[in-house]
Amino acid sequence: ELKVEQNPLFLSMQEGKNYTIYCNYSTTSDRLYWYRQDPGKSLESLFVLLSNGAVKQEGRLMASLDTKARLSTLHITAAVHDLSATYFCAVDRGADGLTFGKGTHLIIQP
Amino acid sequence: DTGVSQNPRHKITKRGQNVTFRCDPISEHNRLYWYRQTLGQGPEFLTYFQNEAQLEKSRLLSDRFSAERPKGSFSTLEIQRTEQGDSAMYLCASRTSGGSYEQYFGPGTRLTVT
Repeated sequence: ELKVEQNPLFLSMQEGKNYTIYCNYSTTSDRLYWYRQDPGKSLESLFVLLSNGAVKQEGRLMASLDTKARLSTLHITAAVHDLSATYFCAVDRGADGLTFGKGTHLIIQP
Repeated sequence: DTGVSQNPRHKITKRGQNVTFRCDPISEHNRLYWYRQTLGQGPEFLTYFQNEAQLEKSRLLSDRFSAERPKGSFSTLEIQRTEQGDSAMYLCASRTSGGSYEQYFGPGTRLTVT
């Protein structure tokens, strides 16, 4: 059974600081997804990582994938309050849907 | 293109009643997925369609749940004899067969069973 583990599950940080969220998964996969979810809202796609060594950046967020280590990271640079949300990683086993982690609840305080 | 839409957005029902949700995917997206999300958890995969064919069902999808996608366009998810444990956000997502593999999620239907 595919398992996806995120850590930390909860993170409170100050504006301007850097931090990394980790996503480990238990079986081979070449596709890794990062989503953002605001309270009471649906999921917003941030990144799709399709191969080993893939790195994508959008604004203050950067995601990377190491398929050999079965590890993805989401790095936040110089955090701002607007980035407060829950971040999910998910692994694609093929056509049969995504398996999500439990999410990292991120609070960024002024 | 208005994205994935879901109706209703909220549904409150009494235990034992049947409910049906609708999902309209992004046009030309032939793959459609249903997920369920409970409070504080990540979404859990329920079922998947490619065009009108239902190709995968999770063990989470009990016999009380049924999904259809007639004509390969919109999809419906029906829950019969609802139980309090069915209370959750039901999310629909769609994507194309190839390309970026990105799944686009709808706003969800929040079900409360009293």
